[in-house]
Parts: sequence; C-alpha cells; structure tokens
Amino acid sequence: ETGVTQTPRHLVMGMTNKKSLKCEQHLGHNAMYWYKQSAKKPLELMFVYSLEERVENNSVPSRFSPECPNSSHLFLHLHTLQPEDSALYLCASSQDVGTNTQYFGPGTRLTVL
Amino acid sequence: AQSVAQPEDQVNVAEGNPLTVKCTYSVSGNPYLFWYVQYPNRGLQFLLKYITGDNLVKGSYGFEAEFNKSQTSFHLKKPSALVSDSALYFCAVRDGNNDMRFGAGTRLTVKP
Repeated sequence: ETGVTQTPRHLVMGMTNKKSLKCEQHLGHNAMYWYKQSAKKPLELMFVYSLEERVENNSVPSRFSPECPNSSHLFLHLHTLQPEDSALYLCASSQDVGTNTQYFGPGTRLTVL
Repeated sequence: AQSVAQPEDQVNVAEGNPLTVKCTYSVSGNPYLFWYVQYPNRGLQFLLKYITGDNLVKGSYGFEAEFNKSQTSFHLKKPSALVSDSALYFCAVRDGNNDMRFGAGTRLTVKP
C-alpha cells in the first residue's frame, strides 16, 4: 500500500534463537529507519540509515543488529532477545533524512518466549 | 531535545460530530510537525504535515490541523467524524537536527 514491505509479518522466537527481519522499499528513497512500537508507549526510533550508512543509533542493545546492504533493503538481525523485546517493529523510508515524510511498512509483530 | 505530548489516550465521538485529537510539542528552533494514522494490523500512514506557511494544514481523508505557535500545539481536526476514522493517531515533531519524535498515540473511537 505504501511501497514499503516487511517480512515476516509475525514472528515467534525463543530467547536463544537467531532471526532476521527484512524491509524493502520500492520508492527510490535514500533513508531508511527501524522503529519499535510497544503498547501505550511512543514509537522508539532505533536506527537510521542514509545512503546505506548508519547515521543514528539510539542506544539500542547489541542484541539488535541492523544491516543495510543497499538503499532499498534494510535488515534487523535478532539474537538472544528478551521477552520485553516483544513488540511491533516498523520499518520506514523517506526521500532523505530531513523534513521529508516517512512512509511506513506494515510492521513485524515479534513475540519472544 | 524535542518532545511531543498527546494528552488523551482515548477520544470518543459520535459519527457526524466534529473531532479533535490534541498534540502539543516542545522543540528548539522551527518545528516540523506531522500526523500519522495507524489502522489495526497496519503500519503508520501519513495524514498531513506542517513545515512552514499557512497555519491551517489540510490533509488526507478530510483531516486538517492547525499550527499554533504561541500555544505550541498542532491539534488534528475533522468537521464530521466517520466510523471508519476509528484508529490510532500519532503526532510527531522533527527539529532542525532531523531527530523525529512521536507521541504515545491517541485512540479515536467513532460510534455510530
């Protein structure tokens, strides 16, 4: 619907598992973002990439590892997560990092058991 | 650092009545203000933004928002609510350093 796709849409994993979230944007944008959405809390910006370089890392634990192989793809690698990491993880993109509108994907609903 | 507050967790209105979802902000420098809507099991969708110019901004689905610098507010409004407007609404602010912060969201319920 918005040109930003995320897979998988739902993921259940144990604390010792390793998994990856994938985001792809078809809008020709230069900036991509990972957000964490927990119930009744503001969206938490996790990482920002501009032209495949990480420009922002908001004190995110190292068990979350982002990767941006090109301007269209963004990954979030997960390992040894905690139950409190259960949330909706949203990917977004924008033309550039600036005042431009961000376009969001549908999110991945992550449950850590 | 910039911040944004949405003072109401929940807003309930009857269909056909006007609706207002409140947002106040704190930012150094000129604010860039946004409203997004999130329907169940969906990502956030852009509604409208204020960058500069007219204080009244018109957006998608008949929504509008008024930028009030003296009150540091950017309330979202619609003259006549629809049941299909029921969703979670997020206000966001970006400062001159390009850091973007979202509010906690306001759940709007429009009853028939």
